[in-house]
Amino acid sequence: RKEVEQDPGPFNVPEGATVAFNCTYSNSASQSFFWYRQDCRKEPKLLMSVYSSGNEDGRFTAQLNRASQYISLLIRDSKLSDSATYLCVVKGAGSYQLTFGKGTKLSVIP
Amino acid sequence: NAGVTQTPKFRVLKTGQSMTLLCAQDMNHEYMYWYRQDPGMGLRLIHYSVGEGTTAKGEVPDGYNVSRLKKQNFLLGLESAAPSQTSVYFCASKDRVSETQYFGPGTRLLVL
Repeated sequence: RKEVEQDPGPFNVPEGATVAFNCTYSNSASQSFFWYRQDCRKEPKLLMSVYSSGNEDGRFTAQLNRASQYISLLIRDSKLSDSATYLCVVKGAGSYQLTFGKGTKLSVIP
Repeated sequence: NAGVTQTPKFRVLKTGQSMTLLCAQDMNHEYMYWYRQDPGMGLRLIHYSVGEGTTAKGEVPDGYNVSRLKKQNFLLGLESAAPSQTSVYFCASKDRVSETQYFGPGTRLLVL
C-alpha cells in the first residue's frame, strides 16, 4: 500500500459546484497533515493544514479521521481560479520529511 | 524578500555531463530539501538538510549529491547525468517551528 494515496482525477466541475477530494495514508504514526495546491507548471504552495477537529478557511474545509487514516478537502462554490492540482501531504512523528500524494487534478469549467 | 530561488530555470544536458543546481533561501530557515517531480509519480524527496554542514538521503538519492556549506544555500549535483534524471527539480525550505515548506519555482532538466 502506498504511503499516501489520492484519486488522481481529473475532476471536471462547473463553477459554483461543491467538490470533495479524499486521501488515505498508511502510517498510523503520522502526526501532521496538509493540503498543498499546485498550479500548472508552478511550485506547490500550502493551502491549509488539517487539524484533528476539522478546520475551515473560507470556501475550503479540511477534515481528518485518524481511525480510518483518511483526510478530506471540501471546496464549496468552486471558482475558475480553483483549477489546480491538490496534493495531500503527511508528516510522520519526529520526522523532518513530508510525504506527498500524487495529487488530484481539478478543472472548474465556466 | 525573494523567498526560495533556484538556478537555472531550465537546462538541457547530454548523457554523462555534470551540473549543479543551486537553491537559495533568504528566510533563515534551518531545513532545506530537494525533490524531483515526474508525471504520475508525484514529488519524491532526493536529499535534505537539517542545518548548515549536514545532509541526509531521501527516497531517491542515487545519482545525486548535495552540499550545504552555507545556511542559505543547498546545492544539488549530478555527476554523470542519465536520461532517467529528466525531471522537474524543486527545492524547499522550512524553519524549526512551522511545518510549512516553501518551494522554489523549479528547474526543468532534460537529459538527452
